[in-house]
Amino acid sequence: DAKTTQPTSMDCAEGRAANLPCNHSTISGNEYVYWYRQIHSQGPQYIIHGLKNNETNEMASLIITEDRKSSTLILPHATLRDTAVYYCIVRGNRDDKIIFGKGTRLHILP
Amino acid sequence: DSGVTQTPKHLITATGQRVTLRCSPRSGDLSVYWYQQSLDQGLQFLIQYYNGEERAKGNILERFSAQQFPDLHSELNLSSLELGDSALYFCASSVTGANNQPQHFGDGTRLSIL
Repeated sequence: DAKTTQPTSMDCAEGRAANLPCNHSTISGNEYVYWYRQIHSQGPQYIIHGLKNNETNEMASLIITEDRKSSTLILPHATLRDTAVYYCIVRGNRDDKIIFGKGTRLHILP
Repeated sequence: DSGVTQTPKHLITATGQRVTLRCSPRSGDLSVYWYQQSLDQGLQFLIQYYNGEERAKGNILERFSAQQFPDLHSELNLSSLELGDSALYFCASSVTGANNQPQHFGDGTRLSIL
């Protein structure tokens, strides 16, 4: 079973920041938070990951709460091409595999 | 482009047949993973190889097998195919498989069983 909880779907206006929440209340100290997205039936695309500190790359920012029980993925200026299913995943030391939940279906509205 | 190459992109075959799906990992990646995505099951982990050796097994049927070759490419063999095996099959790769290294996915093989 996935170790995370995400809203089933969200809408965001084009050009605005999309903030996708994720709860992972049972996360352990050595487990990383990962975000992937899947556009239509393409392969899942890696977005970002982090352990404790907030992270930023060219695609997105990841904000992890101090207690690490939740996180938020931020797409700073959403475009129509960001419409996808976004997966929040927790991976531990022994989790070579990725366990995908149902994710959040993000709709970017023109 | 993730750097992971999967062939073929589409495969159509009949029940009872056998097929082989191929995956070339990103340059420098030693670990390869296979996942299955069907409409009713979502993305499911099948099996992982690291530098030629099986490392982890998930929900892989006995009719399915995989291997990783010395050049690090991997093949997933599906035999005695059933209608329910129709799905997208994804390959992913990472450097070593440690949890601080992302997996990068290919574009998948769409398998249709008629």
